[in-house]
Amino acid sequence: DSGVTQTPKHLITATGQRVTLRCSPRSGDLSVYWYQQSLDQGLQFLIQYYNGEERAKGNILERFSAQQFPDLHSELNLSSLELGDSALYFCASSAGVMNTEAFFGQGTRLTVV
Amino acid sequence: QKEVEQDPGPLSVPEGAIVSLNCTYSNSAFQYFMWYRQYSRKGPELLMYTYSSGNKEDGRFTAQVDKSSKYISLFIRDSQPSDSATYLCAMSGNSGYALNFGKGTSLLVTP
Repeated sequence: DSGVTQTPKHLITATGQRVTLRCSPRSGDLSVYWYQQSLDQGLQFLIQYYNGEERAKGNILERFSAQQFPDLHSELNLSSLELGDSALYFCASSAGVMNTEAFFGQGTRLTVV
Repeated sequence: QKEVEQDPGPLSVPEGAIVSLNCTYSNSAFQYFMWYRQYSRKGPELLMYTYSSGNKEDGRFTAQVDKSSKYISLFIRDSQPSDSATYLCAMSGNSGYALNFGKGTSLLVTP
């Protein structure tokens, strides 16, 4: 168990809908990262928050947004969902800004139908 | 061309074999190199982390980085059926912000 908790584990929703994925980092970790994993693209970095502030952005669509709350948990919001958004979404956390020793959660499997 | 290339396999070896997993990359700014192991339906688990060139050993695992060739390797000695998983290489530059992952190599160790 990495100590990173993601909820829900599975999510099935229809196209056009909006969902929120939740992540609780390991105790003491200030950085949270979101990744998307699909069969054709592999693991793609979406966004990083450090101590409540956005730190880096990767290949995150404009329909997606994230935030990190004062208690350091993070939420990833996905809106206007399309079939192609179906993927595994992982959250990872690390103690500092550098993600060289990031620990991943178990992921949320999103299926858009 | 993706910045990080990794042969997807699958790679099948008998128990006890030495396994060699490799990645190549194109971005010379990468300084941090990691190997993750991912079991089916689980999150990636950090195995090894190396900074810049050189070797690092941890139990049955050895990571090698050759920056001149833009080539990294993970060796698994005395492979076990429990090593059967997908192995992902990852790397990042000095900023360390974004990890660039390979697509992963699927490994099967047969008893």
